[in-house]
Amino acid sequence: AQTVTQSQPEMSVQEAETVTLSCTYDTSESNYYLFWYKQPPSRQMILVIRQEAYKQQNATENRFSVNFQKAAKSFSLKISDSQLGDTAMYFCAFISTGANSKLTFGKGITLSVRP
Amino acid sequence: KAGVTQTPRYLIKTRGQQVTLSCSPISGHRSVSWYQQTPGQGLQFLFEYFSETQRNKGNFPGRFSGRQFSNSRSEMNVSTLELGDSALYLCASSGQGWGTEAFFGQGTRLTVV
Repeated sequence: AQTVTQSQPEMSVQEAETVTLSCTYDTSESNYYLFWYKQPPSRQMILVIRQEAYKQQNATENRFSVNFQKAAKSFSLKISDSQLGDTAMYFCAFISTGANSKLTFGKGITLSVRP
Repeated sequence: KAGVTQTPRYLIKTRGQQVTLSCSPISGHRSVSWYQQTPGQGLQFLFEYFSETQRNKGNFPGRFSGRQFSNSRSEMNVSTLELGDSALYLCASSGQGWGTEAFFGQGTRLTVV
C-alpha cells in the first residue's frame, strides 16, 4: 500500500519570500505520478504541479517548483515570491499507474502568507 | 469549458436518513472519483467510476455506494447516516486516468445531526 506523509501541519511565510513544503511517500511501484494540490478556503481543490516519476527533471509551473528525489522518495514544493493568494491548504498526492490505482493524499499543510 | 459541478453544496440530514449527492464531470471526462474529507482523517478515497463501471473502491462500509450514468454523471449514496459521516464530499473527474490532470468540484458539505 502507498502512503504519503506531510509532517508539517502548518507553515507561515512573509509575502514575497520563498517557502518549501515537504512531502515523503512510500511505494514499491516504479511508475507513478506525484501531485501538489491547493485547497483555498473556497474548498476547490486545484492542481498546482505534477511530476512523472520516470522524469528526472523537476517540474516547474511559474512560481511553483518541485524537488523530486526518487531514491529518497521525497517530493517537496517550493513557492517563490509568495503571494497572499497562496494562503491555502496544500496536499501532496500519489498515484501509481495501472487501471486500479487510486489517488492517495497526505494529511495536508496549512500555509499562511503574511502581508 | 464548464468545471466539475457538485450538488447540493450544503446538506443537513438526521441520523438514520439516507442522502444522495450528485457530480457532473467536465464534458468528455469518463472517470469520476469520490473522496471524503474530514479534519481528522484527511482525504479518503471512496470509489472511482469509469464508463459506468466501478473501477476501484476504498475502505468504506457498504452504506456508501455510487453509480455512474451513461453521460458520465455520478451519484453517491449514503444510507443509514451516522454522525461520523459529517464531512466534505469531493468529486473529481479526469479524462482517461490519473496520470492526466484530475479536476475537482467544490464539494458537498454534509452535516449529520
